[in-house]
Amino acid sequence: GAVVSQHPSWVICKSGTSVKIECRSLDFQATTMFWYRQFPKQSLMLMATSNEGSKATYEQGVEKDKFLINHASLTLSTLTVTSAHPEDSSFYICSAQAERVTDTQYFGPGTRLTVL
Amino acid sequence: QKEVEQDPGPLSVPEGAIVSLNCTYSNSAFQYFMWYRQYSRKGPELLMYTYSSGNKEDGRFTAQVDKSSKYISLFIRDSQPSDSATYLCAMSAWSAAGNKLTFGGGTRVLVKP
Repeated sequence: GAVVSQHPSWVICKSGTSVKIECRSLDFQATTMFWYRQFPKQSLMLMATSNEGSKATYEQGVEKDKFLINHASLTLSTLTVTSAHPEDSSFYICSAQAERVTDTQYFGPGTRLTVL
Repeated sequence: QKEVEQDPGPLSVPEGAIVSLNCTYSNSAFQYFMWYRQYSRKGPELLMYTYSSGNKEDGRFTAQVDKSSKYISLFIRDSQPSDSATYLCAMSAWSAAGNKLTFGGGTRVLVKP
């Protein structure tokens, strides 16, 4: 149980284009989903928290107009990197938390984004 | 000073040895404590989850939490080469908006055959 998927697993795009990453909880309903970014040999950096049906809460320093997050249902959240640039290249990981507030987060396998 | 401190390693042990990992933290509001394993270019995998002081055992893994000392540990018995990975401690305080995790920097573990 507690499986989270991400799609795509890797993507290469040209500078200036937008990229959408999907995060799905496959066997549970996730009232809260989180988006992280991870640079090589570094820990995870939280970008934003999204609750189903609400606007995402972004961490300080994260551009909300650049990283659009939509949590349309209890099993799906999307992260869209708009007008991507090479500095946006990174490993993006989502996690999902089930309904019970004491539940921990289950992570997806990550999406590697390379912007040329 | 970081809220959660974790030795980055690498920690190299021979196969079959006990791996000992630990984290210290400064925020007394943390109530939930987790250990994740992350292989290269993969998402973190939950290993252990505790919310009280004391020990919790699951197979080869034992997690310890000492809230009075703000110190948590993870022990891996009979380590295998497949245990070679980065281990992340994480902790959170309850929030109605969702439990945001604060991570340690991760410890890289190498188990040599």
